[in-house]
Amino acid sequence: NAGVMQNPRHLVRRRGQEARLRCSPMKGHSHVYWYRQLPEEGLKFMVYLQKENIIDESGMPKERFSAEFPKEGPSILRIQQVVRGDSAAYFCASSPPPSRQTQYFGPGTRLLVL
Amino acid sequence: GIQVEQSPPDLILQEGANSTLRCNFSDSVNNLQWFHQNPWGQLINLFYIPSGTKQNGRLSATTVATERYSLLYISSSQTTDSGVYFCAGGAKSEKLVFGKGTKLTVNP
Repeated sequence: NAGVMQNPRHLVRRRGQEARLRCSPMKGHSHVYWYRQLPEEGLKFMVYLQKENIIDESGMPKERFSAEFPKEGPSILRIQQVVRGDSAAYFCASSPPPSRQTQYFGPGTRLLVL
Repeated sequence: GIQVEQSPPDLILQEGANSTLRCNFSDSVNNLQWFHQNPWGQLINLFYIPSGTKQNGRLSATTVATERYSLLYISSSQTTDSGVYFCAGGAKSEKLVFGKGTKLTVNP
């Protein structure tokens, strides 16, 4: 059973470009979470999704950030018009239903904005 | 929202030593996990432990839910144990709130 997969593992963007981060949950997992880790800090929750639904987006910045988890395919975290402060490691986690189970984390995508 | 405090923030050990890491929560949690982030940045699940005690090899964890803390024990530490240890908990929602971590360095 493959673990949580994220791609790309490293992403370099110039200010103003768009970044798209992908997450494929573990097989059988229908809950996906995105977290962001700034340098030398702990992880901070961004958004929690189930298939085709955003359940909790209380940690998402109000502008430029969006997330989706379509019926088919991976979950996507999209950052429009990136700025240097968006440079961070973005981790995706998944868990099986029902909720409040162990969250399994992917290897992360390291985003660098030049 | 819930606050998570980890102690100590930094820990330096000689190989073979034992250690205890602590995690305090400001409110009751019903979803608690310990992670190890290795020097390459990978997050590794150690324990899902909202209450009670679990052991896995040289590592064990105990959560006292009524007193809102959890402990991670590392025995006979090895250099490969180096990295940052995070605890994270969730209360009424599924999202995990992370502590700032304990940075462990194990010297040969």
